Amino acid sequence: EVQLVESGGGPVQPGGSLRLACAASGFTFSNFAMAWVRQAPGKGLEWVSGFSRRDNNTYYADSVKGRFTISRDNSKNTLYLQMNSLRVEDTAVYYCARVSYYDILPGYQPYVWFDPWGQGTLVTVSS
Amino acid sequence: FEVTQSPSTLSASVGDRVTITCRASHSISSYLNWYQQKPGKPPKFLIYGASTLQNGVPSRFSGSGSGTEFTLTISSLQPEDFATYYCQQSYTFPKVSFGGGTKVEIK
Repeated sequence: EVQLVESGGGPVQPGGSLRLACAASGFTFSNFAMAWVRQAPGKGLEWVSGFSRRDNNTYYADSVKGRFTISRDNSKNTLYLQMNSLRVEDTAVYYCARVSYYDILPGYQPYVWFDPWGQGTLVTVSS
Repeated sequence: FEVTQSPSTLSASVGDRVTITCRASHSISSYLNWYQQKPGKPPKFLIYGASTLQNGVPSRFSGSGSGTEFTLTISSLQPEDFATYYCQQSYTFPKVSFGGGTKVEIK
């Protein structure tokens, strides 16, 4: 069974740091791009960060660029999100997700989607 | 590339036909996905490529559209379909974006 389990969330003061982890199982982790998505209380989904499919480059939403760092350890089947200089507005449930894809035709960008998702870990930034 | 959903809330009854719209700020071809989320749960993937159902998704769900306008339709709403639905554009992957969500509630 494909499974993603996040950990590392909790309360933290503004300006503090946290490192989230996402343990993957049931699939060959190194073969898949991964992403982090967050959801503030009562709000919608916001993409935070992710890896590209082919070249393993990293990408960030403008709201977290320069403060958050995504990384992965394929030997441990684990995805990470290092969060520094946390702000009150970073309070959210953080989900990790596997990037799945369907190749349409040579030369065309594949369809990609996020599936599955972990159960999420809550980060609360408050003084 | 932004995606905007409407309505933000929809009240419907069991058996109703329900349509949710997602509009993109620029053409995204068919790079549009749909997810369902229930309270306290992670999103569940439903549709990719604007219209292709994930395995196991009931056939009462359907998606259509291309370019900048897309729809998710539930042909006959069931009790388990009351949830919030999100569209997601993947045209700019790895940087993707989600719509604001549409809550389908009981009338």
